[in-house]
Amino acid sequence: DARVTQTPRHKVTEMGQEVTMRCQPILGHNTVFWYRQTMMQGLELLAYFRNRAPLDDSGMPKDRFSAEMPDATLATLKIQPSEPRDSAVYFCASGPGTVALWRETQYFGPGTRLLVL
Amino acid sequence: DQQVKQNSPSLSVQEGRISILNCDYTNSMFDYFLWYKKYPAEGPTFLISISSIKDKNEDGRFTVFLNKSAKHLSLHIVPSQPGDSAVYFCAASDNNAGNMLTFGGGTRLMVKP
Repeated sequence: DARVTQTPRHKVTEMGQEVTMRCQPILGHNTVFWYRQTMMQGLELLAYFRNRAPLDDSGMPKDRFSAEMPDATLATLKIQPSEPRDSAVYFCASGPGTVALWRETQYFGPGTRLLVL
Repeated sequence: DQQVKQNSPSLSVQEGRISILNCDYTNSMFDYFLWYKKYPAEGPTFLISISSIKDKNEDGRFTVFLNKSAKHLSLHIVPSQPGDSAVYFCAASDNNAGNMLTFGGGTRLMVKP
């Protein structure tokens, strides 16, 4: 049963601390997405990778957020320094990257619930 | 400016009746639309989709209708079941944007037994 996994599932930290969230996409998927869910904005796209290369990170605050894919089995989203307004649920999703990309379904992980005090 | 909007944050329906969830979009380049379902403490899961060349797609109890001229789509669940209680997200894709999805804010559906 292939699934996207995310760690940690929950994170409580203090303002100013660094937060690193990890995602393992489904084996064989070559597109990876990071989303943030807030009460006000619903699901916002933060970053998008294809074949480990960042294609779009326009939704991400560049001064404090960074997203990387060190290898095909790991995607990371880092916040440094964290702020209370970063409190949200962060989802990773992956997709198979087939030829008909625009028809692709994304498969979501369970999310990391972040609380910055 | 939100390109995909779900104007009803919540909806309550009696078991056995029809649930209708609505979604509006502004980007005329969107040509593929999806509905995702999300239970608490889980990630969204794909439910049903529709291409802009169609106006209806049905899968069991779930039917999605697309009105391109009105830039409106809706998800019908008939009959509604308590297990359908979840948050439903509408999403849209633009062929020129690869497989990036733009999501609406979600509608929380509560189906009462």
